[in-house]
Amino acid sequence: NAGVTQTPKFQVLKTGQSMTLQCAQDMNHNSMYWYRQDPGMGLRLIYYSASEGTTDKGEVPNGYNVSRLNKREFSLRLESAAPSQTSVYFCASTPEGGRNQPQHFGDGTRLSIL
Amino acid sequence: GEDVEQSLFLSVREGDSSVINCTYTDSSSTYLYWYKQEPGAGLQLLTYIFSNMDMKQDQRLTVLLNKKDKHLSLRIADTQTGDSAIYFCAESLNYGGSQGNLIFGKGTKLSVKP
Repeated sequence: NAGVTQTPKFQVLKTGQSMTLQCAQDMNHNSMYWYRQDPGMGLRLIYYSASEGTTDKGEVPNGYNVSRLNKREFSLRLESAAPSQTSVYFCASTPEGGRNQPQHFGDGTRLSIL
Repeated sequence: GEDVEQSLFLSVREGDSSVINCTYTDSSSTYLYWYKQEPGAGLQLLTYIFSNMDMKQDQRLTVLLNKKDKHLSLRIADTQTGDSAIYFCAESLNYGGSQGNLIFGKGTKLSVKP
């Protein structure tokens, strides 16, 4: 049971480089989310996609773009990486964006910007 | 805006009970979640409760909700070393296009000493 799969698991970038973080889920979920986790900050929502074809900004969208490629895949792109974007990034999904739908998380991508 | 607060650290001895506390701000009916994060892993859903309930029990886990005080607690009975992890409290938003989005606390790091 794969669930939510994130690639890569680790990445080191130089300031100014671009990168796309990939996320795929095999649970036929409609809603998908990207979070970043920083020490002492908990998880903060970057972008979310309530359904295929829609995306919306979360709490901390600046410096990121997303693409909901199809129902399974939701990618996060850093166009010009900055050291402040060093973080652990988590993708999550839920059947519908409803209040009684727990989110299922991937194992994360650990990203360092030098 | 909505906020979720929880203490950052808790240390207990193996076999004792652990109680992790959380406060939230949304005054409307909502779902409240507890997630567990082990080192290097993603978030694993432990349990959740709807705000019209006072208590939910699931094996060693007991969730208590005081809606008047907006206070949520997670009690782990007979705590084991394998329970050492970070525990996140999360509140489900209850309005508009953000319905179902989660607001996370900063996480409580539980250390279990043998």
